[in-house]
Amino acid sequence: KAGVTQTPRYLIKTRGQQVTLSCSPISGHRSVSWYQQTPGQGLQFLFEYFSETQRNKGNFPGRFSGRQFSNSRSEMNVSTLELGDSALYLCASSLSSGTLAEYFGPGTRLTVT
Amino acid sequence: GENVEQHPSTLSVQEGDSAVIKCTYSDSASNYFPWYKQELGKRPQLIIDIRSNVGEKKDQRIAVTLNKTAKHFSLHITETQPEDSAVYFCAASITGRRALTFGSGTRLQVQP
Repeated sequence: KAGVTQTPRYLIKTRGQQVTLSCSPISGHRSVSWYQQTPGQGLQFLFEYFSETQRNKGNFPGRFSGRQFSNSRSEMNVSTLELGDSALYLCASSLSSGTLAEYFGPGTRLTVT
Repeated sequence: GENVEQHPSTLSVQEGDSAVIKCTYSDSASNYFPWYKQELGKRPQLIIDIRSNVGEKKDQRIAVTLNKTAKHFSLHITETQPEDSAVYFCAASITGRRALTFGSGTRLQVQP
């Protein structure tokens, strides 16, 4: 069974641009959650989706948005990029609605210059 | 919102010794407590989790204990091996919130 995949793995963007990151969960997993990892702030929750519905959103500005498709694949978008958005963005999937973040993807390393 | 504090930030042990990492949480409505291991340059890996209706859970050399009254939970690793060296994160989730709040991480180094 293939693991959680994320594309792209690395990304360099300029301040003010926007970016879209993609996450494909393990087949059959309907819960996808997103996290931002930085050396200063650690791991922070961004959003969680289950069956195309956003069930919760973390304490991030409205520039951060996401969605989930009917095949459970998920995307997150960051508009008007700031230097502080540089981070490793991780997604995770879970089989049931009772657990969270069972399996993480490898992450997308975003650098904003 | 939920706040999770994790201690110590770094821990160095000799191979074969035990290691204990402790976390405290602020919201008594939290009911799910996973632990993750993240090796350098790799993704976090769920190693064990516990729910609020259970006081202790074991999986081979790893165990987690939960004290709901004191609002703290701990990870115990016995007979540590060099491959246990990594950063360990605890997390907590409030019932129905569908969001994880993470501790700041513990860098465990097992000296051969």
